[in-house]
Amino acid sequence: GQNIDQPTEMTATEGAIVQINCTYQTSGFNGLFWYQQHAGEAPTFLSYNVLDGLEEKGRFSSFLSRSKGYSYLLLKELQMKDSASYLCAAGSLGRLYFGRGTQLTVWP
Amino acid sequence: GAVVSQHPSRVICKSGTSVKIECRSLDFQATTMFWYRQFPKKSLMLMATSNEGSKATYEQGVEKDKFLINHASLTLSTLTVTSAHPEDSSFYICSARVGAGVNEQFFGPGTRLTVL
Repeated sequence: GQNIDQPTEMTATEGAIVQINCTYQTSGFNGLFWYQQHAGEAPTFLSYNVLDGLEEKGRFSSFLSRSKGYSYLLLKELQMKDSASYLCAAGSLGRLYFGRGTQLTVWP
Repeated sequence: GAVVSQHPSRVICKSGTSVKIECRSLDFQATTMFWYRQFPKKSLMLMATSNEGSKATYEQGVEKDKFLINHASLTLSTLTVTSAHPEDSSFYICSARVGAGVNEQFFGPGTRLTVL
């Protein structure tokens, strides 16, 4: 089976840095995805890690440790518009299995 | 590029009726599309994998006779919720994979189904 775990909620202030953790257990693992989803909208792709290490893309970075079954999404210089749900998804045999999402609220 | 559309965006129907939701890849051909449902404040639950020209592969616990999936062309997959009941009310989202061996999926805008 698939088991993807991430915190339910996080809060932070504008300009701060926040790290959203994700642990996963899945068979046939072939990559870890992060998506952003605003309420009532479709998820939008943020990042993809298949090898261990850090992938940096502007204000967002994502890290993967395959041996530990662990990933994190790092958001820097937080803006109000970053308030959203962040979904961790493990790729397995061509499919994506999602965690429940972390609802991030950014305060002014 | 890689735009996926869904129709309708919202639908309200009476209990016992069937509802069809369309998912289209607008600027690419998708041999594989996926159907998810999402409950409020919950994550996306994969329902089935839709392969062009063949039967869909359903996840464990998803009734294939209840949720009929057809992938008749490389740009269109449909999900039909048969004999809908209030507990089928949910947000249904489709996604498409750009190519074989590529994991990234592009998501449609979702369809909000309300069954009265």
